[in-house]
Amino acid sequence: AQSVTQPDIHITVSEGASLELRCNYSYGATPYLFWYVQSPGQGLQLLLKYFSGDTLVQGIKGFEAEFKRSQSSFNLRKPSVHWSDAAEYFCAVAYFGAGSYQLTFGKGTKLSVIP
Amino acid sequence: GAGVSQSPSNKVTEKGKDVELRCDPISGHTALYWYRQSLGQGLEFLIYFQGNSAPDKSGLPSDRFSAERTGGSVSTLTIQRTQQEDSAVYLCASSHLVTSSTGELFFGEGSRLTVL
Repeated sequence: AQSVTQPDIHITVSEGASLELRCNYSYGATPYLFWYVQSPGQGLQLLLKYFSGDTLVQGIKGFEAEFKRSQSSFNLRKPSVHWSDAAEYFCAVAYFGAGSYQLTFGKGTKLSVIP
Repeated sequence: GAGVSQSPSNKVTEKGKDVELRCDPISGHTALYWYRQSLGQGLEFLIYFQGNSAPDKSGLPSDRFSAERTGGSVSTLTIQRTQQEDSAVYLCASSHLVTSSTGELFFGEGSRLTVL
């Protein structure tokens, strides 16, 4: 069965510092991978996605992620964090079943930003 | 509207009561999903609707949970005889038919359910 692991439950960084959020997935086929962000009391917003092609994908708000098949990873990065980036971040892998499609999410990483 | 709309945004109910949560997907999206988000547990898949096909109900946690989608658009998630462990945020999402270049889900803001 497919699964996603986000090893860091909570990360704190200083504003202006670089950021890397880790994501490892388990899936038997070529994965579709996603990063979503959730601000308090809000729904999830897509940051970026990987379906195929270039393994370094660019997203909104200055985020990027790199797909590494050999490591089953899809880590999210940002060179300089802004206070408004404080939120919870979810990595997800798509699952294709018989007549079904769904995203399986990790448990999330909460990001705090120190001024 | 432009996005996925869910109602109510907050619902407080007593243990044993039934509740209904509504989702209005993005116009033109053929697929609709329900997820449950519990504190510290991430998002748990509940059910998937695609067009007129039979829904994938594999994520529903018990037979107290059911969902329907009328006319291929609006969906209602019903929880019967609510229990305290049902307290969570219920998120609805919709998407286009999945292709090699699409497949992201668009989420509503959720319905927060509290069972006393």
